[in-house]
Amino acid sequence: TQLLEQSPQFLSIQEGENLTVYCNSSSVFSSLQWYRQEPGEGPVLLVTVVTGGEVKKLKRLTFQFGDARKDSSLHITAAQPGDTGLYLCAVNQGGKLIFGQGTELSVKP
Amino acid sequence: NAGVTQTPKFQVLKTGQSMTLQCAQDMNHEYMSWYRQDPGMGLRLIHYSVGAGITDQGEVPNGYNVSRSTTEDFPLRLLSAAPSQTSVYFCASRRTGVETQYFGPGTRLLVL
Repeated sequence: TQLLEQSPQFLSIQEGENLTVYCNSSSVFSSLQWYRQEPGEGPVLLVTVVTGGEVKKLKRLTFQFGDARKDSSLHITAAQPGDTGLYLCAVNQGGKLIFGQGTELSVKP
Repeated sequence: NAGVTQTPKFQVLKTGQSMTLQCAQDMNHEYMSWYRQDPGMGLRLIHYSVGAGITDQGEVPNGYNVSRSTTEDFPLRLLSAAPSQTSVYFCASRRTGVETQYFGPGTRLLVL
């Protein structure tokens, strides 16, 4: 079983719509990271959340860490075609960075 | 800084052939790692290293070998390629104690 379960696996929306993707686990983590990966490139770190209940904003992206530090969500407001990509959550397990399976987002103009 | 570089970008192998995927970083990062990425599977950790001379296994180490003779380089060796090793391979590095990990551009491998 996956340590991190991401949902949905695929999401196709129109420009201007809002969306939320989720990263869930039964384990507790000291921190959680979100990465974005564009086609043909490696993942790039967007944010690290550390405190239970923490909310971080990055322009139109809002990241939340669950109160119990077992889950996280990423909300995008007014999505744009430039938001298209694979969104991955990841946690540090004994020094090793372990990833969820990702959410593939497509934003159509 | 060039960051994390990987060579080659693309490679086609026949079953049973061997090859080495190269990875180098110029940020003096202690920690380096190799991942493979397959559709619907996210990134899975193959091997990692916390410093020169030290390596350890990740989630999917079988069929791969690594060594870390210098801080800068972390090659990944496939001794006898199998079709199941067809994937995109990413190398990454970070400074010990820092969460931010930097990824290379990837190597796309096809094993026939």
